[in-house]
Amino acid sequence: EIVLTQSPATLSLSPGERATLSCRASQSVTSYLAWYQQKPGQAPRLLIYDTSTRATGVPARFSGSGSGTDFTLTISSLEPEDFAVYYCQQRTNSLSFGGGTKVEIK
Amino acid sequence: QVQLQESGPGLVKPSQTLSLTCAVSGDSISSDGYYWSWIRQYPGKGLEWIGYIYYSGSTYYKPSLASRVTMSLDTSKNQFSLNLSSVTAADTAVYYCVRGGLLPPAPINWFDPWGQGTLVTVSS
Repeated sequence: EIVLTQSPATLSLSPGERATLSCRASQSVTSYLAWYQQKPGQAPRLLIYDTSTRATGVPARFSGSGSGTDFTLTISSLEPEDFAVYYCQQRTNSLSFGGGTKVEIK
Repeated sequence: QVQLQESGPGLVKPSQTLSLTCAVSGDSISSDGYYWSWIRQYPGKGLEWIGYIYYSGSTYYKPSLASRVTMSLDTSKNQFSLNLSSVTAADTAVYYCVRGGLLPPAPINWFDPWGQGTLVTVSS
């Protein structure tokens, strides 16, 4: 099974700041990587798929990049509603999720 | 807009079978544009994919769980189900039902949307 390692575990930032989240795969997942956002008490929500495609209704401040084993989710300017936990997921070899990065208010 | 809603017992005894149902509204589970899946989230927040079932009834389970998992469709009720046998405390988690896309404009082979989730605790 492909292991996805997310870093950092916690990111403490202020509204308006730029957030950069990392997801590293134990082997290449080509471009088959997605990002999900989860707020407390809610189910995960698809944000980005196929590395860089925003899901319907996702604001343009969210962007994804990378290929192979290294991927990045960038939030260009944090809004209050963006403070949440973010998970990456691959589907190249079976299906697996990363451990998550919590973006908290500094 | 499609909505998914899980239902089932919140408490299951060890060695018994966990049974959950996902009611789908706003879309037909018989549509060839989608497949239907179960994902669980442990109390420590880790996510684990369990398996999926296609509109045709074909299934694919995570290999490490395959010996204990059964999924099925009930097209008359527009719902699908999960059975997980021989449960232990390690199966305690929030269980989500989710939809996967097979045809555009849905995200192909990604999970969207998710049900709200249901907590299942395995304890005597």
